[in-house]
Amino acid sequence: DIVMTQSPLSLPVTPGEPASISCRSSQSLLDSNGYTYLDWYLQKPGQSPQLLIYFVSYRASGVPDRFSGSGSGTDFTLKISRVEAEDAGVYYCMQGRQAPYTFGQGTKLEIK
Amino acid sequence: QITLKESGPTLVKPTQTLTLTCTFSGFSLSGTGVGVAWLRQPPGKALEWLTLIYWDDDKWYNPSLKGRLTIASDTSRNQVLLTVTNVGPEDSATYYCAHRHSVTSRPVRAFAIWGPGTTVTVS
Repeated sequence: DIVMTQSPLSLPVTPGEPASISCRSSQSLLDSNGYTYLDWYLQKPGQSPQLLIYFVSYRASGVPDRFSGSGSGTDFTLKISRVEAEDAGVYYCMQGRQAPYTFGQGTKLEIK
Repeated sequence: QITLKESGPTLVKPTQTLTLTCTFSGFSLSGTGVGVAWLRQPPGKALEWLTLIYWDDDKWYNPSLKGRLTIASDTSRNQVLLTVTNVGPEDSATYYCAHRHSVTSRPVRAFAIWGPGTTVTVS
């Protein structure tokens, strides 16, 4: 199985400040079809996860442009340019390169 | 608009079989590239992918569940069923179903739409 490792696991952020979450995979997520299968999800308190980013850097429908994804191979980053109160929750990276699809441990973003 | 909703028992006894239903609308599971997955999240823990069924009845399972999972679809009722046999306390979790649509020009594997989840306790 591909192991996904996130850091930090806890991230207190002041509104208006930037935030960054790292995700590393134990194997390259670049598929033979040329696509890199790394997604980011946000799970707000009491809610189901929502897709933020797919293919490393493609924002899902309705996701604000303050969210951006980058990276390649095995190292990936989710950045929030200016954190808002509504961004609080747990962020997960997920690899779709091969089954079983696996998630990182989650990063809890807390608003100071 | 695509929606999914999970349903099933909230309490199951150890060694019993758990059956959950995902009822969806806004898409057809017979559409090319469409898939429905089941995932779960134990209390306070991370997400775990369990299984996935595609429009062509191709099925994928997480081997960590050691053959205890079965996924099946009922396209006439717009439902996907998940069966977990011989449940134990470690199967206590919130179970989610989620939609995926992958086409040749855009081979997405992300789960774009999730249901609200259903919580199951094994005790």
